[in-house]
Amino acid sequence: AQKITQTQPGMFVQEKEAVTLDCTYDTSDPSYGLFWYKQPSSGEMIFLIYQGSYDQQNATEGRYSLNFQKARKSANLVISASQLGDSAMYFCAMREGRAGGTSYGKLTFGQGTILTVHP
Amino acid sequence: AAGVIQSPRHLIKEKRETATLKCYPIPRHDTVYWYQQGPGQDPQFLISFYEKMQSDKGSIPDRFSAQQFSDYHSELNMSSLELGDSALYFCASSLEGTRVWISYNEQFFGPGTRLTVL
Repeated sequence: AQKITQTQPGMFVQEKEAVTLDCTYDTSDPSYGLFWYKQPSSGEMIFLIYQGSYDQQNATEGRYSLNFQKARKSANLVISASQLGDSAMYFCAMREGRAGGTSYGKLTFGQGTILTVHP
Repeated sequence: AAGVIQSPRHLIKEKRETATLKCYPIPRHDTVYWYQQGPGQDPQFLISFYEKMQSDKGSIPDRFSAQQFSDYHSELNMSSLELGDSALYFCASSLEGTRVWISYNEQFFGPGTRLTVL
């Protein structure tokens, strides 16, 4: 079963507007972390934002915020005031807890969403 | 600030050849992860090392092997290369510390090695 699902293969947004990239996840572990990475065409993986399963508040980092809805198992990325440089592939990823498991630290990624920002 | 270093950045090999990818983690980081990202795919976890011991293993082919050395750098060795091995290979490092559960340990990714198998 897919642990991380990104249902939007591609998204388009006008410069200066906000955009939401969807991410749903599946885990039975009470302790987990959710990450968003940006991958420009050059290929590097750039960390954007993190949300822990026990965090009470939604994470924010500059123009990035994470709309964390635990009961719905969703962790959508909101980019405000889009810029042309935001055009890239965006990956949602999850790291599950250690309790009793051998999944130690690895990230499981979703399929990614290609964001295109139009001028 | 020091980042994760990967070498080489680009590598072209023929089928059935061998390749060695190197990763130098951020100083004092104790954990290294290897990921493989095929064209148009999401990164897939291959293997990880904590304090020079293998800590987890993912979908790594038997033709691949990896190790972490005493200076914490890691090498991914790939033999009998196939066309399907063409991918971007990422190394990431993090500081896991005492292994007490800390949900947030950012993994710092290297720039990747782009392997092309002809």
